Amino acid sequence: DAKTTQPNSMESNEEEPVHLPCNHSTISGTDYIHWYRQLPSQGPEYVIHGLTSNVNNRMASLAIAEDRKSSTLILHRATLRDAAVYYCILGRTGNQFYFGTGTSLTVIP
Amino acid sequence: DGGITQSPKYLFRKEGQNVTLSCEQNLNHDAMYWYRQDPGQGLRLIYYSQIVNDFQKGDIAEGYSVSREKKESFPLTVTSAQKNPTAFYLCASSIPGILSEKLFFGSGTQLSVL
Repeated sequence: DAKTTQPNSMESNEEEPVHLPCNHSTISGTDYIHWYRQLPSQGPEYVIHGLTSNVNNRMASLAIAEDRKSSTLILHRATLRDAAVYYCILGRTGNQFYFGTGTSLTVIP
Repeated sequence: DGGITQSPKYLFRKEGQNVTLSCEQNLNHDAMYWYRQDPGQGLRLIYYSQIVNDFQKGDIAEGYSVSREKKESFPLTVTSAQKNPTAFYLCASSIPGILSEKLFFGSGTQLSVL
């Protein structure tokens, strides 16, 4: 089962860091951890992905637990444009990407 | 620019009618997907295709059909058998077999029942 568990919603003040958690206790050794975000009435867009090591890109950082059963997406300075639904999913053999309900992030000015 | 184009953006279906949603990509991706999203919910996989002339059912394939005659195109037909078709439909593509490869999404089609 390639399911992940995320909190339904989170809030952050503008220009403060945000840590979005994700549990994936059934992850297998070859599953990649992907994060996407979705604005209202749009398709999801890629944020970041990783396998074992922490990853950084211009949008965010991904911290992966040593046992890989959880991960955290880090937005270093939240802006109003970061308000979206964030999905944590597993990339698995057979190209079946399963999306849960995600975390709705509200950024407070 | 490469990307995925979904059309139309809005679509209305009458009772008993079949409707087809278009999805075209110029990313040269072999794998394509259709997801359904209900208000306030996550995405659920309807069908996916890893190569031309081949496709597999996802979690909620009943009442839907697809074809994959060309690499660039993966149309979804919502048949009259789908009793609750009102939803936001998303098409995506990726390179198959590479688990680190990301998904690219279209901008979606909102289907409503008249």
